Amino acid sequence: GDSVTQMEGPVTLSEEACLTINCTYTATGYPSLFWYVQYPGEGLQLLLKATKADDKGSNKGFEATYRKETTSFHLEKGSVQVSDSAVYFCALEKNFNKFYFGSGTKLNVKP
Amino acid sequence: DVKVTQSSRYLVKRTGEKVFLECVQDMDHENMFWYRQDPGLGLRLIYFSYDVKMKEKGDIPEGYSVSREKKERFSLILESASTNQTSMYLCASRTPDRDGTEAFFGQGTRLTVV
Repeated sequence: GDSVTQMEGPVTLSEEACLTINCTYTATGYPSLFWYVQYPGEGLQLLLKATKADDKGSNKGFEATYRKETTSFHLEKGSVQVSDSAVYFCALEKNFNKFYFGSGTKLNVKP
Repeated sequence: DVKVTQSSRYLVKRTGEKVFLECVQDMDHENMFWYRQDPGLGLRLIYFSYDVKMKEKGDIPEGYSVSREKKERFSLILESASTNQTSMYLCASRTPDRDGTEAFFGQGTRLTVV
């Protein structure tokens, strides 16, 4: 069945370091891919999305490219800030159906 | 702004109680979802609803039921609460779209069953 696998955390970085959170998926057909972020005490909110192969989603300095050949959608940011500390979820959705979420990766950014 | 509102942020209930978690959205979305979030397990889908009075089981429906009598409201019911249902519960809604429309989430209800 469809599923999403993302790297386990927590990931601890110093401010201004580079970030990569790996995400791979298993799905038939052509899913849409998403990254959601959950700040402490809040629900999830959309960070970025890509709906077809080779699309790049970007928002708030974060980027992710939909790679069909490697079934991946890795999240990257060139310079993280303390305010980026949160839990990040990779997700896929297909055929206007339900979402499949990864297990989440907690990011801690230290000043 | 889209708003998804869950009726309680924190709930404490006793084992065996019937528990209602309420979710209301204000954007006329067709689809609504209930997830539970547990450390290391991410989000797991309990039930979702395509439209009013339509529902479908998710991955972990056991011990839960749902009700969607009006488009804006989706209720999750724990028929007889048990301690293994202690969790964070998240409601979401969206309008399905060919371009992969995002889901909007409420702030969550942290339920403790004692």
